[in-house]
Amino acid sequence: AQSVAQPEDQVNVAEGNPLTVKCTYSVSGNPYLFWYVQYPNRGLQFLLKYITGDNLVKGSYGFEAEFNKSQTSFHLKKPSALVSDSALYFCAVGQAGTALIFGKGTTLSVSS
Amino acid sequence: GAGVSQSPSNKVTEKGKDVELRCDPISGHTALYWYRQSLGQGLEFLIYFQGNSAPDKSGLPSDRFSAERTGGSVSTLTIQRTQQEDSAVYLCASSLGVTGGGSYEQYFGPGTRLTVT
Repeated sequence: AQSVAQPEDQVNVAEGNPLTVKCTYSVSGNPYLFWYVQYPNRGLQFLLKYITGDNLVKGSYGFEAEFNKSQTSFHLKKPSALVSDSALYFCAVGQAGTALIFGKGTTLSVSS
Repeated sequence: GAGVSQSPSNKVTEKGKDVELRCDPISGHTALYWYRQSLGQGLEFLIYFQGNSAPDKSGLPSDRFSAERTGGSVSTLTIQRTQQEDSAVYLCASSLGVTGGGSYEQYFGPGTRLTVT
């Protein structure tokens, strides 16, 4: 069975500082990995994905994530946080022929 | 429209009543998913449809929950004899396909907030 864990319920960073939102996964084969963001009172928006190839993937709004197979991780990063990045972030894992399994989400709070 | 739409946006119902939630996916998307989002619980997978294949119902929490997808497009999630624990936001998503990496990302609708009193 596949699963995904987001070990932090909340991450607090100051504007301009780098941010990391952690995600680890468990699957029996090759994973498809995703990050989504949910702004208050809005639906989920796709940020980026890893399917195969380069371990570092770049996505929307300056975010990037690194696939680390040995550590089964897919942490979301941004070099310089903005107050507008404050939102709920979801990591998700899937495989060919299956629906995505989402983590419980991490609330990112960026202070000015 | 260009995105996934869901109706109603809000639904308040009394315990024991049946409710129907509707999802209109993006045109051309063959895969459709239903999720439930409860406070502090993240997104809980309920069911997905892929083309004409039998749906994956493995996430449905009880036999009070069912879903249909007519004509490979619109889907309806039905909850019978609603309970207070069914209160949540129900999200629908669609994608170009379940298999294949390049077109796998899901596009979500705004959700239906269900409140069972």
